[in-house]
Amino acid sequence: AQSVTQPDIHITVSEGASLELRCNYSYGATPYLFWYVQSPGQGLQLLLKYFSGDTLVQGIKGFEAEFKRSQSSFNLRKPSVHWSAAAEYFCAVEGNDMRFGAGTRLTVKP
Amino acid sequence: DAGVTQSPTHLIKTRGQQVTLRCSPKSGHDTVSWYQQALGQGPQFIFQYYEEEERQRGNFPDRFSGHQFPNYSSELNVNALLLGDSALYLCASSRGGSLNTEAFFGQGTRLTVV
Repeated sequence: AQSVTQPDIHITVSEGASLELRCNYSYGATPYLFWYVQSPGQGLQLLLKYFSGDTLVQGIKGFEAEFKRSQSSFNLRKPSVHWSAAAEYFCAVEGNDMRFGAGTRLTVKP
Repeated sequence: DAGVTQSPTHLIKTRGQQVTLRCSPKSGHDTVSWYQQALGQGPQFIFQYYEEEERQRGNFPDRFSGHQFPNYSSELNVNALLLGDSALYLCASSRGGSLNTEAFFGQGTRLTVV
């Protein structure tokens, strides 16, 4: 079965700084990969997804992610972070079912 | 468009009781998936319903069951509640009976078992 690892439980960045959230997956075939964001008390919102094709994927809110098969990674990036980006971020992989990582909590310092 | 709506928003139950959670999918969606999110964890896939049948199931015991109605709404039932069932239960809707399409999530039902 597939699995997802998000190595960073908590990341703090300064407002305006760049951001990279790490995601590593394990799956025998070509995976379908997703990044979701969850604000406190809210459901999950899809930021972007990768199914095939171009390995650099653009999403909503200025986020992008790069699929690297050789590293089994799908890291999420944003060039400049606004305070409103503070939330929990989840990477997910779909294989036999949908598996989510444990999440990375993002704090943005003013 | 109301999006995905779940009810109730909060619920407290006693060990051994049974609970039913409800989900109405986003307009135009015919597929409903349920997830359990324990505190500090990522969501765990419970099962997916499409065309009123359970299509896929995660690693959850038979105490967890569900139903989908002709109007595509869905219920999640949990029997013989355990303290460990305390979690946020999320419903997601999508189209076409597949997981690999964009899923829209509701705000969840917070279940506390005491």
